[in-house]
Amino acid sequence: AQSVTQLGSHVSVSEGALVLLRCNYSSSVPPYLFWYVQYPNQGLQLLLKYTSAATLVKGINGFEAEFKKSETSFHLTKPSAHMSDAAEYFCAVSFNQAGTALIFGKGTTLSVSS
Amino acid sequence: DVKVTQSSRYLVKRTGEKVFLECVQDMDHENMFWYRQDPGLGLRLIYFSYDVKMKEKGDIPEGYSVSREKKERFSLILESASTNQTSMYLCASNTRDARRNSPLHFGNGTRLTVT
Repeated sequence: AQSVTQLGSHVSVSEGALVLLRCNYSSSVPPYLFWYVQYPNQGLQLLLKYTSAATLVKGINGFEAEFKKSETSFHLTKPSAHMSDAAEYFCAVSFNQAGTALIFGKGTTLSVSS
Repeated sequence: DVKVTQSSRYLVKRTGEKVFLECVQDMDHENMFWYRQDPGLGLRLIYFSYDVKMKEKGDIPEGYSVSREKKERFSLILESASTNQTSMYLCASNTRDARRNSPLHFGNGTRLTVT
C-alpha cells in the first residue's frame, strides 16, 4: 500500500540553525513528491515539487529537498532557519498522473526560537 | 495566480443542522477536493470530483455528500451535523493535465464548530 511518513511531529530549532524535516514514502510506482507549508489560520501553500527532472529541488523561501530513490526519502532542508519559517509542513505523494491520488503525511510543526 | 475561495472562514452550527460549505476556483481546474484537517491526523480526503457532476469517495466520506453542478464550484454538505464533524475543512483544486503533474491549490479553510 502507498504511504507517507513524516518522522517527528514537532521539530524545534534556533534561529540560524539548519532545518531538516524528514519524509519517507512507500510506493510501487514512481511517485510525484511535494512539500507544502501551512501558516496559522491559512490553507496549504506549495513549497516545492519533485518531477524527476533533478533529484535536488529548490523551492520558495530558501527551502530545498532531495529525492533519494534508494532510501525512498524526500527530506526538506533549509541551511539557516528564520523566525518566519515557524509553521506546519506537510509532505505529500501523488501516485497517479491525473492528480487525484494524493496522500499527505501527518505534518511536522516547526518551531524557531531566537 | 490560482485562487481557491471558501465562502466562510468560521462557522458555528447546531447538532442536526444541514450545513453547506462552498468552494470556488478560478483556474478552470478539472479536479476539486474536500479535506478535513484535525490535530495529529493530518489531512484526510472526504470526497473529490474530476469533472462536473462526477464525484468519488475519499477516505472518510461517511456523514458527508458533495455537489458539483458547475466546473468552478464544489460544495460539501453535512446532511445532519454532529459534534464529531467539528474540524477545519480545506478545499483544493488542480488540473488533470498529466504533463504538468499539477500540485494542489488550497483555499484558506473553513473552521466549523458544531455545538
